Amino acid sequence: KNEVEQSPQNLTAQEGEFITINCSYSVGISALHWLQQHPGGGIVSLFMLSSGKKKHGRLIATINIQEKHSSLHITASHPRDSAVYICAVGLDYGGSQGNLIFGKGTKLSVKP
Amino acid sequence: NAGVTQTPKFQVLKTGQSMTLQCAQDMNHNSMYWYRQDPGMGLRLIYYSASEGTTDKGEVPNGYNVSRLNKREFSLRLESAAPSQTSVYFCASSEVAGYTFGSGTRLTVV
Repeated sequence: KNEVEQSPQNLTAQEGEFITINCSYSVGISALHWLQQHPGGGIVSLFMLSSGKKKHGRLIATINIQEKHSSLHITASHPRDSAVYICAVGLDYGGSQGNLIFGKGTKLSVKP
Repeated sequence: NAGVTQTPKFQVLKTGQSMTLQCAQDMNHNSMYWYRQDPGMGLRLIYYSASEGTTDKGEVPNGYNVSRLNKREFSLRLESAAPSQTSVYFCASSEVAGYTFGSGTRLTVV
């Protein structure tokens, strides 16, 4: 069983739509990360969160520690949001920074 | 610009050849990592270094060696490349505030 599960695997949306990507995990974590990877490109960190909600521009990330679940929302989606979004969890090593375990990613395509 | 720099960006090797992937960060981070990314799989940890002078194996260390030359630099060496090592390799560094990734090295072993 994968320790980090993302859904959906692939997502196609029309420009302007509200998008939600989900991440579930099965281990105790110190923090959860949302990452973005454009085709052929590097990986950019979008959010790191251990509780509640964070917002940056049109992106919102939430986490429910009790349910071991996080969501990444994109409001007013745009074709430049087309990328692979990766959820990763840092394992709980008694509060210290641990290595990341990655989901397989969600490939988002936003059509104009 | 602050960040993680990886070289080279692309490389083609013949089976049995050796090479070293270089990684340097200028953010004064203690922890550094090497990951590989393969189609249909999440990134997997090859080796990591929690601080200068220490290195530890990750999930998929076979066929690789690493050197933490100093706080800035963490290199990954393939002693005898195999086709199964065809992948995209990412270096990363981290502190309490989060992770920073390099732009990746696309390696093909023929």
